[in-house]
Amino acid sequence: DVKVTQSSRYLVKRTGEKVFLECVQDMDHENMFWYRQDPGLGLRLIYFSYDVKMKEKGDIPEGYSVSREKKERFSLILESASTNQTSMYLCASSLGTSGPTGELFFGEGSRLTVL
Amino acid sequence: GQSLEQPSEVTAVEGAIVQINCTYQTSGFYGLSWYQQHDGGAPTFLSYNALDGLEETGRFSSFLSRSDSYGYLLLQELQMKDSASYFCAVNTGFQKLVFGTGTRLLVSP
Repeated sequence: DVKVTQSSRYLVKRTGEKVFLECVQDMDHENMFWYRQDPGLGLRLIYFSYDVKMKEKGDIPEGYSVSREKKERFSLILESASTNQTSMYLCASSLGTSGPTGELFFGEGSRLTVL
Repeated sequence: GQSLEQPSEVTAVEGAIVQINCTYQTSGFYGLSWYQQHDGGAPTFLSYNALDGLEETGRFSSFLSRSDSYGYLLLQELQMKDSASYFCAVNTGFQKLVFGTGTRLLVSP
């Protein structure tokens, strides 16, 4: 089974702090994604990556950056956390473009609260 | 812009059949996915339609009409454990999914 592991389930940070959210997948997937999920808004794509060192902006990249130094690891960085970044953050991975199945494998999520 | 519309909530009783509709407007379209998410859990993949027609997987079926920009998820023989949120999502290319806002399904005894 594919496993996507997010390092922290719950985090509480203060405004202005730098926050790192880590995600690791164990199935050698090419693609990795970061979404945030808010009530009534569904899942919104922040950033994604098709390969090591590659990154693409999603629909709401402002205030975030990412890093993919190894294929299995995709990090989301909040350079200066703000209260409007309080949310559930979901990491996902998928196979590359050889088989467009529309199937993403999600981690359990990291619930971030910014005070 | 990109938008997917689905009902916010649907209620049904055990053993019944329920249909969750999804209409979409996106800049690219390669297929329509459906995901289930229980409270506190991760979204899990249910089905994917790249072509028009009906796909069946056990009690769940999914339908797509690309000409109408419309799809639906059909859940049969509802069980209490089917109470969850259901999301449609459009694959806009390279597995980049744009999600709807979700439909909360409440199954009562």
